[in-house]
Amino acid sequence: AQSVAQPEDQVNVAEGNPLTVKCTYSVSGNPYLFWYVQYPNRGLQFLLKYITGDNLVKGSYGFEAEFNKSQTSFHLKKPSALVSDSALYFCAVRGGNTGGFKTIFGAGTRLFVKA
Amino acid sequence: ETGVTQSPTHLIKTRGQQVTLRCSSQSGHNTVSWYQQALGQGPQFIFQYYREEENGRGNFPPRFSGLQFPNYSSELNVNALELDDSALYLCASSHGQGVNTEAFFGQGTRLTVV
Repeated sequence: AQSVAQPEDQVNVAEGNPLTVKCTYSVSGNPYLFWYVQYPNRGLQFLLKYITGDNLVKGSYGFEAEFNKSQTSFHLKKPSALVSDSALYFCAVRGGNTGGFKTIFGAGTRLFVKA
Repeated sequence: ETGVTQSPTHLIKTRGQQVTLRCSSQSGHNTVSWYQQALGQGPQFIFQYYREEENGRGNFPPRFSGLQFPNYSSELNVNALELDDSALYLCASSHGQGVNTEAFFGQGTRLTVV
């Protein structure tokens, strides 16, 4: 069965420092991986996705993610955090041999960026 | 902001009642999916519709049903409401039914079952 794990409930980082939000997945076959961000009282917004090709994916607002097949990870990164990046971040997986159109989301990681 | 709109924004229902939630997809999108997001959890996939046909379903009982209309708007119906159905219900639209397509989410409908 497909699954996604976000091992950290919360990540704290100072403004200007690099940030990493971790995600690992379990799926048989080739996965399609996504990151979404959720601000208070808002729906989810798409940040970036990995389909195939280059393992480093660049997305919106300066975020990027690195796909690592051997470690089954897809960590979200940003070189320099902003206070406005504070939000709830979700990793999601789709596809694989049995998943089809079903999208599996992680439980989310809350990012706090201090000024 | 995406072009996906959901109504109503908030709703309070009594256990055992039925509810219908509505979603208008973003212009040009022909696929709609629905998610349930309980407090403090990630969204759980309910089902997806592509050109008025259901083409994917998560682990939800049959009392969760849906429709997609020719204009690609959609409804989520929940019968025999239970207290555990209290959650934020999110609708998302996308173009095409490819598994590699990102979704555009509405702001959600907050359902409270008392």
